Amino acid sequence: GESVGLHLPTLSVQEGDNSIINCAYSNSASDYFIWYKQESGKGPQFIIDIRSNMDKRQGQRVTVLLNKTVKHLSLQIAATQPGDSAVYFCAENTNDYKLSFGAGTTVTVRA
Amino acid sequence: DAGVTQSPTHLIKTRGQQVTLRCSPISGHKSVSWYQQVLGQGPQFIFQYYEKEERGRGNFPDRFSARQFPNYSSELNVNALLLGDSALYLCASSLEQKQFFGPGTRLTVL
Repeated sequence: GESVGLHLPTLSVQEGDNSIINCAYSNSASDYFIWYKQESGKGPQFIIDIRSNMDKRQGQRVTVLLNKTVKHLSLQIAATQPGDSAVYFCAENTNDYKLSFGAGTTVTVRA
Repeated sequence: DAGVTQSPTHLIKTRGQQVTLRCSPISGHKSVSWYQQVLGQGPQFIFQYYEKEERGRGNFPDRFSARQFPNYSSELNVNALLLGDSALYLCASSLEQKQFFGPGTRLTVL
């Protein structure tokens, strides 16, 4: 089965609000995690990554938090915009080459 | 710089046929991975190639094969197509652990 999963399949958020997307993983040996955004009909787009020796990393309007104690990962999007509507995947690097993905969370931004 | 490119964009085949999908990685990337994404699910790892050698293989039958060329481009071949092979096939090129995906090839098996 999947070693990476998201808590909620859908998330509806008001434009301008902050979004929080959660992800649980089961492999405590994983040392690298990536968040991807996938719009309809496109391939996954790299958003941000984090290594297991960190607990927080910030990008442009996005922050990833890693809690290794409870094996939990989250993606925070500040001031959510209509263009943020997409499916978001967390992916876990289980060795040097393989990424394991969860089923994804569909984010819908309400105007 | 160009990102990962894949061809064709869409493909329709019938059961039992064979298909070849192509991928060109980002310039300077020596590793290419293939993933299958069924509608409504996350991508599933099929293969990774590094420096023309298979580095890893996911839980897919022998009908799936791939290769990497000296210019680091790659082909994914699927023989004896089944209806269940209908999916978006994604190629990712990587530098170290960071993987960047192409737009995918949408394969429909009738």
